Amino acid sequence: GNSVTQMEGPVTLSEEAFLTINCTYTATGYPSLFWYVQYPGEGLQLLLKATKADDKGSNKGFEATYRKETTSFHLEKGSVQVSDSAVYFCALRMSGNTPLVFGKGTRLSVIA
Amino acid sequence: EPEVTQTPSHQVTQMGQEVILRCVPISNHLYFYWYRQILGQKVEFLVSFYNNEISEKSEIFDDQFSVERPDGSNFTLKIRSTKLEDSAMYFCASMLGGLSRSGANVLTFGAGSRLTVL
Repeated sequence: GNSVTQMEGPVTLSEEAFLTINCTYTATGYPSLFWYVQYPGEGLQLLLKATKADDKGSNKGFEATYRKETTSFHLEKGSVQVSDSAVYFCALRMSGNTPLVFGKGTRLSVIA
Repeated sequence: EPEVTQTPSHQVTQMGQEVILRCVPISNHLYFYWYRQILGQKVEFLVSFYNNEISEKSEIFDDQFSVERPDGSNFTLKIRSTKLEDSAMYFCASMLGGLSRSGANVLTFGAGSRLTVL
């Protein structure tokens, strides 16, 4: 079946450090890919998405590129802030209205 | 910005008791979902609901679970007789649906309801 694997957390970084959270997927076909973020006490919020190979999603300084050849969608940010501390979830969906399939989530802690 | 609201934020219940988790989706959304996350594990799909019926459900969503949209605003998840392993965070989500508008296929999630079964 379809699945998402993301790096184990927690990840602890100093402010202004470079962030990478790895995400790879297994799917029969060509899914849309998503990163969701969950800030403490809040729901899951869409951070960025990409719907086809080589698309780059970006938002709030975060980027991820849909790489079909490596079945990956790694999340990156050049300079993290304390306010980026959250749990990040990679997810895929096969078509239109089908359910999202999530990874386990990666907790990021950024310290000043 | 429109949001999905869930109540209660935390519920503690005894094993075998019935629990109802409530969700108010975004008002013009047409697709509704329940997901759960057991502590430290993946966010798992439970069920999707469209046009007043279940459109898809996972193997987790057995006869102990049911969903209902009793009026025009609420979307509820009922667990008939809770088990210890039902302890999890339950997330409701809604989606506008359709292909004509940007963002129409993006799920908006609530903050979750934490269920603890003792």
